[in-house]
Amino acid sequence: QKEVEQNSGPLSVPEGAIASLNCTYSDRGSQSFFWYRQYSGKSPELIMSIYSNGDKEDGRFTAQLNKASQYVSLLIRDSQPSDSATYLCAVNIGSGGYNKLIFGAGTRLAVHP
Amino acid sequence: GAGVSQTPSNKVTEKGKYVELRCDPISGHTALYWYRQSLGQGPEFLIYFQGTGAADDSGLPNDRFFAVRPEGSVSTLKIQRTERGDSAVYLCASLKKIDRPPSETEAFFGQGTRLTVV
Repeated sequence: QKEVEQNSGPLSVPEGAIASLNCTYSDRGSQSFFWYRQYSGKSPELIMSIYSNGDKEDGRFTAQLNKASQYVSLLIRDSQPSDSATYLCAVNIGSGGYNKLIFGAGTRLAVHP
Repeated sequence: GAGVSQTPSNKVTEKGKYVELRCDPISGHTALYWYRQSLGQGPEFLIYFQGTGAADDSGLPNDRFFAVRPEGSVSTLKIQRTERGDSAVYLCASLKKIDRPPSETEAFFGQGTRLTVV
């Protein structure tokens, strides 16, 4: 089992719709979770971090964490063509100040006009 | 500097040669990661430094790969006897803060070095 799993996509949504991206992780002790966006040919950029169960909203983005189910998701409301990119889920594996940041393979999102 | 700086941005080398890739992290960031990313894949963990020491090097694929961070700032990833399969984008990231989790441990990436072994 991979440490962090994502559907590779592509996920295609029309402009203005909600895009839902999902991620599962294997280490039950993980406490820090991140979503990165990566445009083609560019390096990953952080868009959301979440540390507690529940929802965290930032503009059009909402991250959701369920530690019992070892599941984290990202919702993008009012999707725009500029949101078309690969979305990477990352999880800090470890505890006690030790951090090994592991990425999923990424989900490619395509927002069409 | 303002961000993570990686040099060179592109490197083409012949099979069997030795290469060094440099990462200059954000000033004051204590932790530093190296990743390798192939086309269509997520970043693959290679090694993680906390200060000068390698806290976890379990992702280094074999003994041809080695990384150092002698003064706790700049890091160099070294690849000996390069192979065509080493071709990838090598990413470096530095961390804002390391503390007892949960904490702000966002990693910020450099622009990467695209390594091509011919």
